[in-house]
Amino acid sequence: NAGVTQTPKFQVLKTGQSMTLQCAQDMNHEYMSWYRQDPGMGLRLIHYSVGAGITDQGEVPNGYNVSRSTTEDFPLRLLSAAPSQTSVYFCASSISGHNEQFFGPGTRLTVL
Amino acid sequence: EDKVVQSPLSLVVHEGDTVTLNCSYEVTNFRSLLWYKQEKKAPTFLFMLTSSGIEKKSGRLSSILDKKELFSILNITATQTGDSAIYLCAVGNYGQNFVFGPGTRLSVLP
Repeated sequence: NAGVTQTPKFQVLKTGQSMTLQCAQDMNHEYMSWYRQDPGMGLRLIHYSVGAGITDQGEVPNGYNVSRSTTEDFPLRLLSAAPSQTSVYFCASSISGHNEQFFGPGTRLTVL
Repeated sequence: EDKVVQSPLSLVVHEGDTVTLNCSYEVTNFRSLLWYKQEKKAPTFLFMLTSSGIEKKSGRLSSILDKKELFSILNITATQTGDSAIYLCAVGNYGQNFVFGPGTRLSVLP
C-alpha cells in the first residue's frame, strides 16, 4: 500500500501561471480533502470530496478548483497563481468524513 | 464561525518532563475531536475522542475530552527527544469536515 501520494514535492511558479497538484490514494477511501498549511495557522481546508463526482468547498476555496472523477484521484488546480498561495499543501483521505485522516507527504509551493 | 484554539503555542521541556497540551473549541454540531502529531512532514493520527470523560491511552500519551467545557488535553509523560513535533488538534462536525487549531510546537531537549 502506497497510502496517499502527492506530486510534485516542490514547485515554483510565477504569478499568473496555472498548475495542478496531484493526489492519489490506494486505500479505497471515499473521503478526500485538500489543506494548506501556513506558519502559525494550522491546516485550513480548501476543498473536500465525500465520493467520486461530489466535491464541496472548505474554508479557503478561492483560487482553487477540484474534481473527483475516480475514487483514487483528487487533483487540485490553481487557476492563476498568486503570491498569497505560497504554502505547503496536504492531501488527505479517510473512510468517511467522520474518521481519522491519512495525509500525503505534502507539496511545497512557492509563487513568485 | 467554528474555531479551535490551542495552548501553549510553543513549549520547551527537558527529557523526562511531563507536558499537558490544551485544545478548546467552538464548533457547531460537534462530532469528534482528533489529535495529530506532525514531525517534519505529514501529520499522523494519535487519538479520536467522541465521548466526555473517557481517556484514550497509547504508551506515554493520553487524552481526554470534556464536552461540557468544550476542551481536550493531551498528556505526554516521561518525554523523549522523539516527542519533539507540532501537535495538532482538529474538531469534526456533522458536515463532514474538520477545523484545525494552530498547533503546539513541542521541543524536548536532551
